[in-house]
Amino acid sequence: DMKVTQMPRYLIKRMGENVLLECGQDMSHETMYWYRQDPGLGLQLIYISYDVDSNSEGDIPKGYRVSRKKREHFSLILDSAKTNQTSVYFCASSRQNQDTQYFGPGTRLLVL
Amino acid sequence: AQKVTQTQTSISVMEKTTVTMDCVYETQDSSYFLFWYKQTASGEIVFLIRQDSYKKENATVGHYSLNFQKPKSSIGLIITATQIEDSAVYFCAMREGDSAGNKLTFGIGTRVLVRP
Repeated sequence: DMKVTQMPRYLIKRMGENVLLECGQDMSHETMYWYRQDPGLGLQLIYISYDVDSNSEGDIPKGYRVSRKKREHFSLILDSAKTNQTSVYFCASSRQNQDTQYFGPGTRLLVL
Repeated sequence: AQKVTQTQTSISVMEKTTVTMDCVYETQDSSYFLFWYKQTASGEIVFLIRQDSYKKENATVGHYSLNFQKPKSSIGLIITATQIEDSAVYFCAMREGDSAGNKLTFGIGTRVLVRP
């Protein structure tokens, strides 16, 4: 069964701590994405990865960085988390030349 | 810059009836792709249906169909014979044809409640 997975599903951190969100997919999709979802703002793109070590900023990259060392894994890193990074984070993937993105179940992050 | 607008915040319908929700978009590209996604109460985001701008026929998948009005930059989603499990938030999204990396722009969503 093709799917996108995210770990952890829920996370509580204190301001200033580092955060690592993990995403995996078993569809051999070249392109992967990180979004955050906030009430009233919809889904906002943080980063896109076109393949291993080929990453590009999205619309709101400030305060985030990413890592993709294997095609099936894409990590989102928050160095010194801030309270305004409390959100639900979604990972997605798609084939390089196909437009449909498939989403993971999301990670709910609370930064205190 | 591309923009996607969903003006209906929420819609309530009776089970087994039809619901229609609106989406308008802005783009400078002659080629673009439009999508509808559903977000369930559990938070899961599921792809429903897409419309490519160069196709004149409205897309249909199961009990989902689209009302594509290109001159009005409008892509409405129609759900027929609604079921309780259609209660969800529905997002419209657009990708421009020359957008590198398949970047999607989303609307803020329309919440649909299907009542028994």
